[in-house]
Amino acid sequence: QAVVTQEPSLTVSPGGTVTLTCGSSTGAVTNGHYPYWFQQKPGQVPRTLIYDTSNKQSWTPARFSGSLLGDKAALTLSGAQPEDEAEYYCLLSYSGARWVFGGGTKLTVL
Amino acid sequence: EVQLVESGGGLVKPGGSLRLSCAASGFTLSIYNMNWVRQAPGKGLEWVSYISSTSNYIHYADSVKGRFTISRDNAKNSLYLQMNSLRAEDTAVYYCAPRTFDYWGQGTLVTVSS
Repeated sequence: QAVVTQEPSLTVSPGGTVTLTCGSSTGAVTNGHYPYWFQQKPGQVPRTLIYDTSNKQSWTPARFSGSLLGDKAALTLSGAQPEDEAEYYCLLSYSGARWVFGGGTKLTVL
Repeated sequence: EVQLVESGGGLVKPGGSLRLSCAASGFTLSIYNMNWVRQAPGKGLEWVSYISSTSNYIHYADSVKGRFTISRDNAKNSLYLQMNSLRAEDTAVYYCAPRTFDYWGQGTLVTVSS
């Protein structure tokens, strides 16, 4: 089973920009992995921010964007807000319907 | 309003079995491919299993293959996860979510302990 890697933790200043990345042990992440990004705050259910690399849900704040960056999927937060402090998970598809989550990135806004 | 409600969790001894259910309202579960995802206490998310809308395609994470069985009853708008040979490491909150992962229930807690 593939391993999906994320930065364990990142810190961003309020109003700053930060990029979280998502790599795959099998090689470059492509659109064919249908990358997802989820935000989870303590005690809450995960919610999808980005699907299929760069598509936003209706509830996704405009300051979040998804892309491919080099051989990884990326989630960029531009203009961080205190309420963005959370755990962020990426999710990749393998062989169509087998999925693997990354270990999560704890984002601190400080 | 879309609601997914997981149920069936509880305390079970190692080696025991549980059957989880996921009921949908405001959401025609029968037309969606569905997943089970779990989260151990204080840990990250782990995808567990997938089933296509017609049950033709089923996949499992290596960690549960041979022990868990996903199924669905489209007439009842429900999804199930039969969990056998449970281990301590299966302790987690279990969520059901559609293929698009845009709706999540509140989850049901499974605790495997003697």
